[in-house]
Amino acid sequence: GENVEQHPSTLSVQEGDSAVIKCTYSDSASNYFPWYKQELGKGPQLIIDIRSNVGEKKDQRIAVTLNKTAKHFSLHITETQPEDSAVYFCADITGGFKTIFGAGTRLFVKA
Amino acid sequence: NAGVMQNPRHLVRRRGQEARLRCSPMKGHSHVYWYRQLPEEGLKFMVYLQKENIIDESGMPKERFSAEFPKEGPSILRIQQVVRGDSAAYFCASSPWTSGGASSYEQYFGPGTRLTVT
Repeated sequence: GENVEQHPSTLSVQEGDSAVIKCTYSDSASNYFPWYKQELGKGPQLIIDIRSNVGEKKDQRIAVTLNKTAKHFSLHITETQPEDSAVYFCADITGGFKTIFGAGTRLFVKA
Repeated sequence: NAGVMQNPRHLVRRRGQEARLRCSPMKGHSHVYWYRQLPEEGLKFMVYLQKENIIDESGMPKERFSAEFPKEGPSILRIQQVVRGDSAAYFCASSPWTSGGASSYEQYFGPGTRLTVT
């Protein structure tokens, strides 16, 4: 069945450094790849997404890259700040609506 | 424009009782999805509904769980005869129609209902 693998499970960086989270997916029909940020006690918040006809997308300090051939996509956060500390989930959409989530990456940004 | 609303935020039930979780989608959104999140895990898809229709319930346990999205009012996720293993956070998300009538890919999540079964 569909599967999304996410690495690393935990990531600790110094404030100002970059953070990279990587995901792989299995369904070659997937064509939409969102990233969510979840803070403690809250619901996931969509922070950036990419569609399969695009290789890279950037929004201020956040960027996402997609390699459809390798079925890889990555989240890049530059100039990290303490408020970036949260759990980040990658996901893909199959069948137009069914979201398959990765297991999550707990990001710690040390001041 | 209010976001996705869920209530209650916290729900405690004893084993064997019923749990009812409510979700009001964002204004103008006609598609609702329910997910379950166990501690330290990602979200697992449960069911996708449109008004008065269940489109896909492939992630729902076959027994004790049901969902509806009536013409008027919120979407309801109902868990009958709860067991300890049902303890989790339940999230609802909504998305708008696209011009082609299908769900937009972007899903917006509510704050969740944390169910504890004692």
